[in-house]
Amino acid sequence: QVQLVESGGGVVQPGGSLRLSCAASGFTFSSYGMHWVRQAPGKGLEWVAFIRYDGSNKYYADSVKGRFTISRDNSKNTLYLQMNSLRAEDTAVYYCAKDKYDILTGYYHLGNWGQGTLVTVSS
Amino acid sequence: DIQMTQSPSSLSASVGDRVTITCRASQGISNYLAWFQQKPGKAPKSLIYAASSLQSGVPSKFSGSGSGTDFTLTISSLQPEDFATYYCQQYNSYPWTFGQGTKVEIK
Repeated sequence: QVQLVESGGGVVQPGGSLRLSCAASGFTFSSYGMHWVRQAPGKGLEWVAFIRYDGSNKYYADSVKGRFTISRDNSKNTLYLQMNSLRAEDTAVYYCAKDKYDILTGYYHLGNWGQGTLVTVSS
Repeated sequence: DIQMTQSPSSLSASVGDRVTITCRASQGISNYLAWFQQKPGKAPKSLIYAASSLQSGVPSKFSGSGSGTDFTLTISSLQPEDFATYYCQQYNSYPWTFGQGTKVEIK
C-alpha cells in the first residue's frame, strides 16, 4: 500500500534553513507528481508546492516563492522541500501528498498523504 | 489566485442529522473540486474528487455536488466518527487553494 513518511522537521531560528524529506513506497514514485501542503497550529490547510513526476515542472504558493525549493530523487523514491529564509509564519506541520489521476477528467488531484512533520521557527 | 470560501465555519449537529457544507469559488473551476476530512492530530483524508466522485473506500453517506463556482458536501446521517473538520480544495489551476474549513461538532 502507498506509504509516505516525512522527516526533517524541527526547531529553527528565523532566517535559518531546513530540508524536509518524504520517503515514498508502495507505488511507482517516478510516475507521479508530488505536493507539499502545510498547516499552521490551529489553522487550515495551505498548499505549498508541486513537482511533476520527472521534475520538469514546479509550482509554488506566493507565500514561499523564492525561499522554498521542491525537488525529488526518483532513484531514492524521495521528495524534498528545501526551506530557506524561514519566518515565524512558516511554523506548521508539513505534509507530502501524492497526485492521483482521474481517468474521466484527465486531471490529477491530491490522493494519499503522509502523517506530517512539524517545523517550528522560533528564536 | 482562486479564493475558496466555505460556510458555515462551524456547526453543531446530532447523530443521525443530515449535514450540508457549502463551498464557493471566486471564479469558475468547472468540477475540479475535492473535499477532505481531518480529525485532530491526523492527516487529511480525501473523501471526494471531481466535485461528486467518491474516493475508494469512502462510505456512500458522503456525497458532493456542484459545478462552476458553487459546491456542496452532504453527510446523509451523521455518525460519531464523522465529527471532524472538512475542507474543500480547488485543483483547476495553480496555486491550488483550500477553503478555510468547517468544523462539525456534536450538539
